[in-house]
Amino acid sequence: GAGVSQSPRYKVAKRGQDVALRCDPISGHVSLFWYQQALGQGPEFLTYFQNEAQLDKSGLPSDRFFAERPEGSVSTLKIQRTQQEDSAVYLCASSSYAVQGAGELFFGEGSRLTVL
Amino acid sequence: DQQVKQNSPSLSVQEGRISILNCDYTNSMFDYFLWYKKYPAEGPTFLISISSIKDKNEDGRFTVFLNKSAKHLSLHIVPSQPGDSAVYFCAATDSGTYKYIFGTGTRLKVLA
Repeated sequence: GAGVSQSPRYKVAKRGQDVALRCDPISGHVSLFWYQQALGQGPEFLTYFQNEAQLDKSGLPSDRFFAERPEGSVSTLKIQRTQQEDSAVYLCASSSYAVQGAGELFFGEGSRLTVL
Repeated sequence: DQQVKQNSPSLSVQEGRISILNCDYTNSMFDYFLWYKKYPAEGPTFLISISSIKDKNEDGRFTVFLNKSAKHLSLHIVPSQPGDSAVYFCAATDSGTYKYIFGTGTRLKVLA
């Protein structure tokens, strides 16, 4: 597609439920990022993929968070046993650069998760 | 420890005037900086970037200035237009890594 596509745009979950958020990056983009944006804050790094390899998951808040990109294109961020503090907008971004600092990230519209 | 800081949460400017958004950083390893604009319910969109080998980069109405000794960058919008009303984020990275660190954003309101 022309841009980064994320689904669902909005998700309401009951505390304890599992959720899965999908990201379809720009075709051919090597790098894929997940960010978490809480209300009134800037995006916070969660994890980074270069093709199918997850090179950094240091930003994942707990072991309830899991991300994958098995074929080097579409990625899924899974949150198990959701908690209220997981409520945020989850942003996916992709880039054609494999070594960063050389160009911009292209963001999707985000998935807004609300945990009740 | 916030490595990228935008100390002004909001800014109001009259249409046609200059908007100046500021950003400070603490990590001296940062060598590439970007500005993003975000409208409600949309993802951030890239505006302009600057490498640390430069002190100025211009693109139409948007100019980014970098002062490495002060660890400070600013975004100038001239002339400001109502459509520029949005939240602006600055971001920084150490090239060769992949971690972009974002500030908390400044909400710009351009008054018609």
